[in-house]
Amino acid sequence: AQSVTQPDIHITVSEGASLELRCNYSYGATPYLFWYVQSPGQGLQLLLKYFSGDTLVQGIKGFEAEFKRSQSSFNLRKPSVHWSDAAEYFCAVGAEGAQKLVFGQGTRLTINP
Amino acid sequence: NAGVTQTPKFQVLKTGQSMTLQCAQDMNHNSMYWYRQDPGMGLRLIYYSASEGTTDKGEVPNGYNVSRLNKREFSLRLESAAPSQTSVYFCASSGQGAPYGYTFGSGTRLTVV
Repeated sequence: AQSVTQPDIHITVSEGASLELRCNYSYGATPYLFWYVQSPGQGLQLLLKYFSGDTLVQGIKGFEAEFKRSQSSFNLRKPSVHWSDAAEYFCAVGAEGAQKLVFGQGTRLTINP
Repeated sequence: NAGVTQTPKFQVLKTGQSMTLQCAQDMNHNSMYWYRQDPGMGLRLIYYSASEGTTDKGEVPNGYNVSRLNKREFSLRLESAAPSQTSVYFCASSGQGAPYGYTFGSGTRLTVV
């Protein structure tokens, strides 16, 4: 069965520090991968996506993610976080022909001033 | 602004009451989805509609019904609300199909007392 694991439920980093959020997937087909962000009280907004090609993808708000097929991972990174990055982050996976996306449980990011 | 609109944004129900959550999208998307979000559980799919005229169960369909009224609208009905249905409900849509990602509504926060 398809699954997505975000090993870190909650991460705290200081403003200006670098960030990496982990995502591992289990999927039989070639995956389509996504990161979404949910600010408090808001819906989910797409940060970036990977379908094929260059394994390092750039997204909005200065985020990037790298697809590593050998590790079944799609980790999200940002060189320097801002207080406004405090939110919950969801990794999701789909595949050609799939009827729906599968989401991870989310990682809540707290920023220390 | 184009997007997914959910109504209401907040609702309090008494146990046993019924209600319908409304969702409409103006992007001419074929597929629509209903998710619930609970702390520590991530997003769980309730029902989805891959195209107008079709609906299918997701992971947690018990206690819910859906109607794909037309291409724009996809409603979620709770016939007899239970406290276990206290949650935040998100509607999403997809134009090219699930593998290509979703656009989410801003959510409905439902409390059943």
